[in-house]
Amino acid sequence: EAGVAQSPRYKIIEKRQSVAFWCNPISGHATLYWYQQILGQGPKLLIQFQNNGVVDDSQLPKDRFSAERLKGVDSTLKIQPAKLEDSAVYLCASSPGTGDSSSGELFFGEGSRLTVL
Amino acid sequence: LAKTTQPISMDSYEGQEVNITCSHNNIATNDYITWYQQFPSQGPRFIIQGYKTKVTNEVASLFIPADRKSSTLSLPRVSLSDTAVYYCLVGVRWTGNQFYFGTGTSLTVIP
Repeated sequence: EAGVAQSPRYKIIEKRQSVAFWCNPISGHATLYWYQQILGQGPKLLIQFQNNGVVDDSQLPKDRFSAERLKGVDSTLKIQPAKLEDSAVYLCASSPGTGDSSSGELFFGEGSRLTVL
Repeated sequence: LAKTTQPISMDSYEGQEVNITCSHNNIATNDYITWYQQFPSQGPRFIIQGYKTKVTNEVASLFIPADRKSSTLSLPRVSLSDTAVYYCLVGVRWTGNQFYFGTGTSLTVIP
């Protein structure tokens, strides 16, 4: 079974530029998450989708971050304009979704490392 | 939202049993306890999940006392490859949300 795919793996940009990250979850997984992980810290949830609807985006800096999951499958996270403090690894995760039989286990991709200069 | 508290770091010698305790005083009735492992340059990986008492799988055991205000992840006979960061999460599993990571415990296994 293919895992969560993310691209690009690495990206270096200058501040005020824009960047986009792409995620393709495990086939059939209804729930998709984007996390931001700053060096030395635990992953911080940015946004959660259930199919193509947003469940939780309370920690997404909406003035510069946006995310979409238009067809309920793959997703894109965009940052515009980037700041120095956005340097982090952006992790995408998926899970089978809701229902009592679901363990809620999150399956993570390898992440996209962003460096803002 | 239940907050978790874990030791920042731990060291252990190879072959020993390691116990990592997580405190979650505000755990709610419907919350499950889940542990993840993260190696450098990789995303976190699910280890084990439980609601109460004891859960065991091929990788680890999870001990949860009756009051559920804490939990202990037990790794038997650790090896160098178990060096990683371990995260304890508390949340409602069947809604698929409310999975927030803390700072985790950095485990270093020494030869």
